Amino acid sequence: GAGVSQTPSNKVTEKGKYVELRCDPISGHTALYWYRQSLGQGPEFLIYFQGTGAADDSGLPNDRFFAVRPEGSVSTLKIQRTERGDSAVYLCASSSVGRSTDTQYFGPGTRLTVL
Amino acid sequence: AQSVAQPEDQVNVAEGNPLTVKCTYSVSGNPYLFWYVQYPNRGLQFLLKYITGDNLVKGSYGFEAEFNKSQTSFHLKKPSALVSDSALYFCAVRDIRDNNDMRFGAGTRLTVKP
Repeated sequence: GAGVSQTPSNKVTEKGKYVELRCDPISGHTALYWYRQSLGQGPEFLIYFQGTGAADDSGLPNDRFFAVRPEGSVSTLKIQRTERGDSAVYLCASSSVGRSTDTQYFGPGTRLTVL
Repeated sequence: AQSVAQPEDQVNVAEGNPLTVKCTYSVSGNPYLFWYVQYPNRGLQFLLKYITGDNLVKGSYGFEAEFNKSQTSFHLKKPSALVSDSALYFCAVRDIRDNNDMRFGAGTRLTVKP
């Protein structure tokens, strides 16, 4: 079946602008995760959804970052007043039910560049 | 909190030779351990995981990893490397008590030369 998809694949924006990044998880997966990967680093956890609710948003760096998953499937990561330091690859992953033993399946990522 | 160390930024091996990519971890409780591979312009692909049971875990593409509790290690291995194995490899750990937070290492770039 289809894997995790993310759009856009690339996003270039100017400092101060608002951006939205979209994630389509694997069909039927109730758990969804957002990560941020900076150059030369491993992915860094941002937020975890179980169904429609954000079960853990402890990784969001500040209140400019927000994510939603209104129908328990597609999720949108929203970044307000972007800063150059937000430039990174944003990865989305999903897993079947969200147990800690579950395998997370990753999308190809969205490369965000803030000029 | 849990953490992962991948002590080598880069590993170079010749095609046909065995390869090892090292990973050590730190957790308060028992660990769940994962290996992912990342090819250029592609997302992370799952290779294998250790949850419980046999310390030697076999995964995709001929890779395996051995969980060593006394050394807190989970090194990735393959008996005979292929040029197509060249990629970025990430080790990740979850504490058995923490459902959400999976910590990744910084990655090791594997280059297999013909």
